[in-house]
Amino acid sequence: GQQVMQIPQYQHVQEGEDFTTYCNSSTTLSNIQWYKQRPGGHPVFLIQLVKSGEVKKQKRLTFQFGEAKKNSSLHITATQTTDVGTYFCADGNQFYFGTGTSLTVIP
Amino acid sequence: KAGVTQTPRYLIKTRGQQVTLSCSPISGHRSVSWYQQTPGQGLQFLFEYFSETQRNKGNFPGRFSGRQFSNSRSEMNVSTLELGDSALYLCASSLGLAGTQEYFGPGTRLTVL
Repeated sequence: GQQVMQIPQYQHVQEGEDFTTYCNSSTTLSNIQWYKQRPGGHPVFLIQLVKSGEVKKQKRLTFQFGEAKKNSSLHITATQTTDVGTYFCADGNQFYFGTGTSLTVIP
Repeated sequence: KAGVTQTPRYLIKTRGQQVTLSCSPISGHRSVSWYQQTPGQGLQFLFEYFSETQRNKGNFPGRFSGRQFSNSRSEMNVSTLELGDSALYLCASSLGLAGTQEYFGPGTRLTVL
């Protein structure tokens, strides 16, 4: 069956450092979505990418969709303590979520 | 617009019992999906209901079942509870179209003793 893997599983950074999480699917994706889950909270939709090679930015967050539409990345520039949480990628059509990357930001 | 609500928020059961969880979607949303979240397995898809019909199903045993009512509210039932069923159960609602975002509820934390 389809697998959506994310690396790293955990990441600790000093506040102000950059952070990147990578998402890899075993199959080609029609679209990919990213969610953020704060500690004790529930996943919240961040963005959706649809086109091959697409890049979207949300303030300090940059999202990329690979050319082959089998991988994606989320990059956060100059992390802040408000960025703490687990970031999930998800196949937008099939209900498959990635394994998640838990981000800890050390003030 | 009110968000997705789930009841109860916390539940403690013993092995062998059954449990029913409830989810009220955002008004106008016809799709409700259920997920199990555990530290070791992440977010695992259980099933999706759309217009009272189960449209998609994950890879869970038959002990896990659900239904959706005409007002789009959904319930999930787990029978013969096992210790491994302890998890956060999340429901999410959406318009039900391919690629549309899901709006998650706060979840029900189920503990099986």
